[in-house]
Amino acid sequence: GNSVTQMEGPVTLSEEAFLTINCTYTATGYPSLFWYVQYPGEGLQLLLKATKADDKGSNKGFEATYRKETTSFHLEKGSVQVSDSAVYFCALSDLAINYGGSQGNLIFGKGTKLSVKP
Amino acid sequence: DTEVTQTPKHLVMGMTNKKSLKCEQHMGHRAMYWYKQKAKKPPELMFVYSYEKLSINESVPSRFSPECPNSSLLNLHLHALQPEDSALYLCASSQGGTLLNNSPLHFGNGTRLTVT
Repeated sequence: GNSVTQMEGPVTLSEEAFLTINCTYTATGYPSLFWYVQYPGEGLQLLLKATKADDKGSNKGFEATYRKETTSFHLEKGSVQVSDSAVYFCALSDLAINYGGSQGNLIFGKGTKLSVKP
Repeated sequence: DTEVTQTPKHLVMGMTNKKSLKCEQHMGHRAMYWYKQKAKKPPELMFVYSYEKLSINESVPSRFSPECPNSSLLNLHLHALQPEDSALYLCASSQGGTLLNNSPLHFGNGTRLTVT
């Protein structure tokens, strides 16, 4: 079945360091890929997305490129801030046919906790 | 600020209590979801409503009963819960009735439920 694997955390960085959080996926067909971020005490927020191969999603200085050849969607940021401390989830859309129509679900990775120190 | 509003933010209930979680969105989204998130884990899908009809039930025990009174509201009725049901319950919505167009989920901030 479809699945998402992301690097184990926690990841601890100093402010202004370069960030990479690896994410690889297994899927049939052509899923869309997402990064969600969860700040302490809050729900998940969409950070960025890519819907087809070679698309690059970007937002708030974060970027991720949909690489079909390596089935990857690694998250990067050139210079992290203390305010980026959160848990980051990689996810893919899992389209299935149910009840005579088309439904979908997000398959999440296990999450990577990022702590940025001043 | 989230556009999906969940109440209450925190709930403590005994195993014999009946309570309800509420979720509201006014973005015109036609799909609404309930997720359960345990500490340090990703969210797990419980239910999906599409155009106010239950379309996915991920084998959730009957002590959890969802309800979608209209396109803006989603409830989760709780009865005879167990301590292991303690978790963060997240509501989400997406544009259109499905993820067919890969529209992202918009999450609320969740209800932190503790069952004693």
